[in-house]
Amino acid sequence: AQTVTQSQPEMSVQEAETVTLSCTYDTSESDYYLFWYKQPPSRQMILVIRQEAYKQQNATENRFSVNFQKAAKSFSLKISDSQLGDAAMYFCAFRRSGSARQLTFGSGTQLTVLP
Amino acid sequence: NAGVTQTPKFRVLKTGQSMTLLCAQDMNHEYMYWYRQDPGMGLRLIHYSVGEGTTAKGEVPDGYNVSRLKKQNFLLGLESAAPSQTSVYFCASRSPGGRAWELFFGEGSRLTVL
Repeated sequence: AQTVTQSQPEMSVQEAETVTLSCTYDTSESDYYLFWYKQPPSRQMILVIRQEAYKQQNATENRFSVNFQKAAKSFSLKISDSQLGDAAMYFCAFRRSGSARQLTFGSGTQLTVLP
Repeated sequence: NAGVTQTPKFRVLKTGQSMTLLCAQDMNHEYMYWYRQDPGMGLRLIHYSVGEGTTAKGEVPDGYNVSRLKKQNFLLGLESAAPSQTSVYFCASRSPGGRAWELFFGEGSRLTVL
């Protein structure tokens, strides 16, 4: 079974600064997806970024980028130029390729953005 | 664009009562899922379905039943609600091919069991 660990229950960052959220996972699979989801107070789950394990290049989406270390089983999210709207709960998630069973989530990191 | 719609959004039950949460999607997705979200634990998979008429157990299936009689609907039932089932429930759906990584979530249903 896969496990996903987010060791930072809470983080804070000053507006316009950079913050990195940590995620580690445990799996024996070689082909899988990793995701970061954002959940604002509205409860809506919003996909921030995804990474395919077979790709060596780290994924980026505008101000969001990941540091994917496959051997270390680490998948951190970097948010640059933080904005007040980035304040939310962030979840790291794992899914084995070809699996219908869907995502295994971490416990989440609550991000506060300070003005 | 409705996407994934959950009803009801909020519900309060007494211990022992029964209820059904309805999830409807209009994207012709084969796969549908029910998760629960509890503080400090992320989302956990309750049951899922890979097609009409099929269901399977997820990580935390006890106390819940599901049905997928129509492709667009996935029902989650609580036959005898318990306080431990107080949670926020999310439905999600996706296609098995193409953009298989793209999972669409509903807005969540908050259930309180007294």
